[in-house]
Amino acid sequence: DAKTTQPPSMDCAEGRAANLPCNHSTISGNEYVYWYRQIHSQGPQYIIHGLKNNETNEMASLIITEDRKSSTLILPHATLRDTAVYYCIVRVALGAGGTSYGKLTFGQGTILTVHP
Amino acid sequence: GAVVSQHPSRVICKSGTSVKIECRSLDFQATTMFWYRQFPKQSLMLMATSNEGSKATYEQGVEKDKFLINHASLTLSTLTVTSAHPEDSSFYICSARPQGFYNSPLHFGNGTRLTVT
Repeated sequence: DAKTTQPPSMDCAEGRAANLPCNHSTISGNEYVYWYRQIHSQGPQYIIHGLKNNETNEMASLIITEDRKSSTLILPHATLRDTAVYYCIVRVALGAGGTSYGKLTFGQGTILTVHP
Repeated sequence: GAVVSQHPSRVICKSGTSVKIECRSLDFQATTMFWYRQFPKQSLMLMATSNEGSKATYEQGVEKDKFLINHASLTLSTLTVTSAHPEDSSFYICSARPQGFYNSPLHFGNGTRLTVT
């Protein structure tokens, strides 16, 4: 699976949009981009994932560049509860009968601190 | 939907004893579950892949005789830390995805904080 690079930390003011970048320059055509976050002393929480197109759900938006070498997770209106470590993970798409079990490999992530 | 439950959330044990951690998928079946370990201020490290009805696959450097994994049903995997020592104190987290949904997200339990005294 392709490696990802994220800034170690970022700050954001409450109520503003938080834009978290992720570089995955070696991504291949059949690899998904997943975003998770981990609030202190809890298990990781799934946020969003995508393959080629931009995606949006109730939590966030995922913007993937046309060449797919980078992406940005957008939290449109950050709150204090969004303070967490955010992980960008790239993983190959699986097909039925494949030998891969679809594990996720976590990097160091970005510590996002939302301040009042 | 897709809830993964871990039990216990916290456990303190004495050095030399064994501890069992349970991971359950509450509203779906999972052929495969994953066990991670996380030390303070570090990222999650995959320990092993648990497969229903067969042997677990361990990552390099993880002792299979020390970390026993049993995946006896499609909704339950257990991790037993045998002869625990203080260096095994860590945050253990399991994850799973619904059977057959190969590209759907992994869902994580809330972790088990193990302290070995």
